[in-house]
Amino acid sequence: EAGVAQSPRYKIIEKRQSVAFWCNPISGHATLYWYQQILGQGPKLLIQFQNNGVVDDSQLPKDRFSAERLKGVDSTLKIQPAKLEDSAVYLCASLGGSGGEQYFGPGTRLTVT
Amino acid sequence: SQELEQSPQSLIVQEGKNLTINCTSSKTLYGLYWYKQKYGEGLIFLMMLQKGGEEKSHEKITAKLDEKKQQSSLHITASQPSHAGIYLCGAVINFGNEKLTFGTGTRLTIIP
Repeated sequence: EAGVAQSPRYKIIEKRQSVAFWCNPISGHATLYWYQQILGQGPKLLIQFQNNGVVDDSQLPKDRFSAERLKGVDSTLKIQPAKLEDSAVYLCASLGGSGGEQYFGPGTRLTVT
Repeated sequence: SQELEQSPQSLIVQEGKNLTINCTSSKTLYGLYWYKQKYGEGLIFLMMLQKGGEEKSHEKITAKLDEKKQQSSLHITASQPSHAGIYLCGAVINFGNEKLTFGTGTRLTIIP
């Protein structure tokens, strides 16, 4: 079974530029999550999708962050414009398994200069 | 303040020694997940606990959830270099919502 795929793995941009991340969850997983993990901290949930609908986006900074999952499969997360404090690893996860555990992708490390 | 507190924040252990990492919440834990993370990479699922008093083991790693379901511990026996990494606890703290809240992590270093 293929795992959660994310791209790119690394991205360096200047502040005020835009950036987009892509995630393809495990096949058949209806629930998809985007997390932000700042260095030295645990992951923080940004947005949760159930199929192509948003379940929870309460911690998504909507003035600059947006996410979509149009066909209920893969998803994109966009930041426009980026700020220095957006430097973090962005993790995508999908929900599955008998115990309801979340499976995580390798993450995208974003550096904003 | 953090909803989930992990201790210690970092741990340096000699190879072959045992160690314990704790995860504490002020709220009832409706599901407690332990993950391991290599620096800059994704999270690898280790174990999930739901019932008070539950204990699970996989190879040399044992996780327990206390009877009150507010604290969990992760114990590694006879540590090896492959155990090095960041250990994160993630918990469901709102009943009926599978959203995970994570602790800040424990960085484990194994020295020969």
